[in-house]
Amino acid sequence: DAGVIQSPRHEVTEMGQEVTLRCKPISGHDYLFWYRQTMMRGLELLIYFNNNVPIDDSGMPEDRFSAKMPNASFSTLKIQPSEPRDSAVYFCASSMTGGRSNYGYTFGSGTRLTVV
Amino acid sequence: AQSVTQLGSHVSVSEGALVLLRCNYSSSVPPYLFWYVQYPNQGLQLLLKYTTGATLVKGINGFEAEFKKSETSFHLTKPSAHMSDAAEYFCAVRGNYGQNFVFGPGTRLSVLP
Repeated sequence: DAGVIQSPRHEVTEMGQEVTLRCKPISGHDYLFWYRQTMMRGLELLIYFNNNVPIDDSGMPEDRFSAKMPNASFSTLKIQPSEPRDSAVYFCASSMTGGRSNYGYTFGSGTRLTVV
Repeated sequence: AQSVTQLGSHVSVSEGALVLLRCNYSSSVPPYLFWYVQYPNQGLQLLLKYTTGATLVKGINGFEAEFKKSETSFHLTKPSAHMSDAAEYFCAVRGNYGQNFVFGPGTRLSVLP
């Protein structure tokens, strides 16, 4: 099992540019989460999907942020246009529930985004 | 609703000393409790979890935690710190009705030679 795979690992972009972060969850996991981590705010849940359907996007900071999950094996988080305050580490995590919630999340290695 | 507090954003211990990282939670439903560890430039890894049953749970790398319902605590301990334990540690709570995780703010552990 390769775990949760995120790409790219690092992204440096100029303010105003579009940024797309990618995530491949663990096969068989039916929940996918996008988190943002900063020194100031810690870990913030942005959005999560269940069976490819967005369930709660209340953590998405602005309309500049959007997320999709076109199939069970792929999700994207897009920022358009990007701003310096979006600089953070973005994590994707997946989980299997099977009706129980004692499963932990498996996190990817994250994408470190720097907007200059 | 659930919430998590971690006392001490930064804890320093000497190599070989006891590690104690504190976590207190609040939950309106029976909680599932977790500790995650994050090494520099890496994602979070599950260290251990409490779901039901024995209140003392053992995890990887010699860590353990005890669920104390009366104190609403889930403190993480390790008898003897190793340099490789230096990392950020996150406590998290999840309701047993399928609620999402709520993470604490994290505690950075430094291990001094």
